[in-house]
Amino acid sequence: GDSVTQMEGPVTLSEEAFLTINCTYTATGYPSLFWYVQYPGEGLQLLLKATKADDKGSNKGFEATYRKETTSFHLEKGSVQVSDSAVYFCALSGGQGAQKLVFGQGTRLTINP
Amino acid sequence: NAGVMQNPRHLVRRRGQEARLRCSPMKGHSHVYWYRQLPEEGLKFMVYLQKENIIDESGMPKERFSAEFPKEGPSILRIQQVVRGDSAAYFCASSPLQGSNNEQFFGPGTRLTVL
Repeated sequence: GDSVTQMEGPVTLSEEAFLTINCTYTATGYPSLFWYVQYPGEGLQLLLKATKADDKGSNKGFEATYRKETTSFHLEKGSVQVSDSAVYFCALSGGQGAQKLVFGQGTRLTINP
Repeated sequence: NAGVMQNPRHLVRRRGQEARLRCSPMKGHSHVYWYRQLPEEGLKFMVYLQKENIIDESGMPKERFSAEFPKEGPSILRIQQVVRGDSAAYFCASSPLQGSNNEQFFGPGTRLTVL
C-alpha cells in the first residue's frame, strides 16, 4: 500500500537557520503531495501542496518540490522563526485512486530565539 | 465561513462506556473523513463518508467502531465499549469535492481519554 516516510525528529534549530525536513513516499499511480502543520492543541492546517511531478508548492516562506524520480517532497525554509515551532506532517492522497490522506509520522520542530 | 467544528474537544470515558464524537463540516462540504492520532504518531485514516453513504471504511476497526453522516446534522463517530487503547485524538476533515488533489480542512480534534 501507499506510505510516507519522514525525517525522524525532534529537530531543534536557532532562529534564522535553514530548515530541511525530508519526506519520501511510495505510491502507485500519480498521488498528490501535501505538507500539513499542527500547532500545539490544534488540528492540522495545510501548509502547501503539489499535484504533479516537478510542481513546487510554496507558502509562508516554505517550499517543497514534487520529485517523481526520487519519490521525494522535502520541505525547506531559508530562515526559520520561533513561530514556526510545530509538528510538520508530510502526506499523500490519490495514489491508488483513494481520497484518503496517508501521513508520515510527523517531525516536531523547535526554533530557539 | 466557519471552519470544521468538532465536539466535544475533550471526552473522558471509563472502560466499557460509549463515546460519541461529532463533526460538522464546513458549509458546502459534503465529504467527511475521520482520522485517529495516537500519542507521538501520525494520523491514520479511519473512514470516508459522503452524505448518507460510507465510501471507504478500510481504516476502521471491524468491531465497536461505527460512523455515519446523515442527511441532516453532523457526522458521528461512535465507539462502543471503549478500551484504554482507544485513547487518542480523533480528527475530522471535510472537503467540498471528490478528487485526491482537493484540500481537506481539519477540525480541532476530540481528545478521548479512557480511564
